[in-house]
Amino acid sequence: DTAVSQTPKYLVTQMGNDKSIKCEQNLGHDTMYWYKQDSKKFLKIMFSYNNKELIINETVPNRFSPKSPDKAHLNLHINSLELGDSAVYFCASSQVAFGELFFGEGSRLTVL
Amino acid sequence: QKEVEQNSGPLSVPEGAIASLNCTYSDRVSQSFFWYRQYSGKSPELIMSIYSNGDKEDGRFTAQLNKASQYVSLLIRDSQPSDSATYLCAMNNAGNMLTFGGGTRLMVKP
Repeated sequence: DTAVSQTPKYLVTQMGNDKSIKCEQNLGHDTMYWYKQDSKKFLKIMFSYNNKELIINETVPNRFSPKSPDKAHLNLHINSLELGDSAVYFCASSQVAFGELFFGEGSRLTVL
Repeated sequence: QKEVEQNSGPLSVPEGAIASLNCTYSDRVSQSFFWYRQYSGKSPELIMSIYSNGDKEDGRFTAQLNKASQYVSLLIRDSQPSDSATYLCAMNNAGNMLTFGGGTRLMVKP
């Protein structure tokens, strides 16, 4: 049973399109996150949700919008995709805010 | 200056040797420190967490924290080829965000 699962694992799309990535955790954690890992392997926080409320929104373009229907789900919607959005997006969860993180398998987004 | 600095490597060690991975940080108020391992094409997984100065051992892994000198290190004893991966250092900073270093790529040669 996967603890943190995200779909799709691979996404190839054209510039200007809109896409979504879904994430679900079955660990009972209160906090969920989206991280972006670029080609240089830097992991950067994008969003954090604690029990369905946004607690951090780093300086990401407003084309990115997180949505949390409940504390077990955190989805990421991206509008008007750009070439620079190509990266691996990781969903993660933790029991306490910014404690030990459990990551999903990642979603590799390629924008052509 | 980046908040969390790691040598990108690759760090190459022979099988059975001790691998020493280092991380320095700039935010003196950081309280919690973590080491994650990431295999190529996979997600990061937590190896160790350390919260107070000194050493913390778990099997072949030892984390060392020195808050005065602002560094944290990870020692891997009896390195195995299966330890070959990128090791990411992470810590909470003053804004209570978890900030990652760029990672050190470790290669353990048989």
